[in-house]
Amino acid sequence: EDQVTQSPEALRLQEGESSSLNCSYTVSGLRGLFWYRQDPGKGPEFLFTLYSAGEEKEKERLKATLTKKESFLHITAPKPEDSATYLCAVPYSGYALNFGKGTSLLVTP
Amino acid sequence: DSGVTQTPKHLITATGQRVTLRCSPRSGDLSVYWYQQSLDQGLQFLIQYYNGEERAKGNILERFSAQQFPDLHSELNLSSLELGDSALYFCASSAQGGGETQYFGPGTRLLVL
Repeated sequence: EDQVTQSPEALRLQEGESSSLNCSYTVSGLRGLFWYRQDPGKGPEFLFTLYSAGEEKEKERLKATLTKKESFLHITAPKPEDSATYLCAVPYSGYALNFGKGTSLLVTP
Repeated sequence: DSGVTQTPKHLITATGQRVTLRCSPRSGDLSVYWYQQSLDQGLQFLIQYYNGEERAKGNILERFSAQQFPDLHSELNLSSLELGDSALYFCASSAQGGGETQYFGPGTRLLVL
């Protein structure tokens, strides 16, 4: 069965302290890996899609990378407004998304 | 703003009751997906529609049903509600339903008392 595992479950950073979130997946025939940001009580907000190993995408302080078995979301010099839950997902049956449980990020001033 | 709208934002009801959640996809998107998010389960796929036809089913209970109308809006019907159905319900839409990016609505928070 296709699986998506995210680590760590929770991460606390000081403002400016860079770090990485991990998303490992087991899926036959990857058809894209998606990163979303979710604020409490709100809908997931799309960040990135990666399709092939070696691909990288950047947006402000975030950079997503992809290997054959995992993806990393690198956060450089985070700010308190980056605090959120970060979700990764891969498509499966009918192209619906199979989500990991997320990493809850807290950035303190 | 993703362009996906959902109503109502909040819903409080009693066990055994039936409710309907509504979703309007982004302009031009043909595919609609429904997801359930509870604290212990994370985001779980329920069902997908593409241009009015059911395309895929996930962990959707028999008490739940959905449809997509000719104007492409979708409704999720939840019946014989139980306490455990309390959750956030999200609708997402995508252009074709073929693995491209899904955009999520703001969700409906359902509380069953």
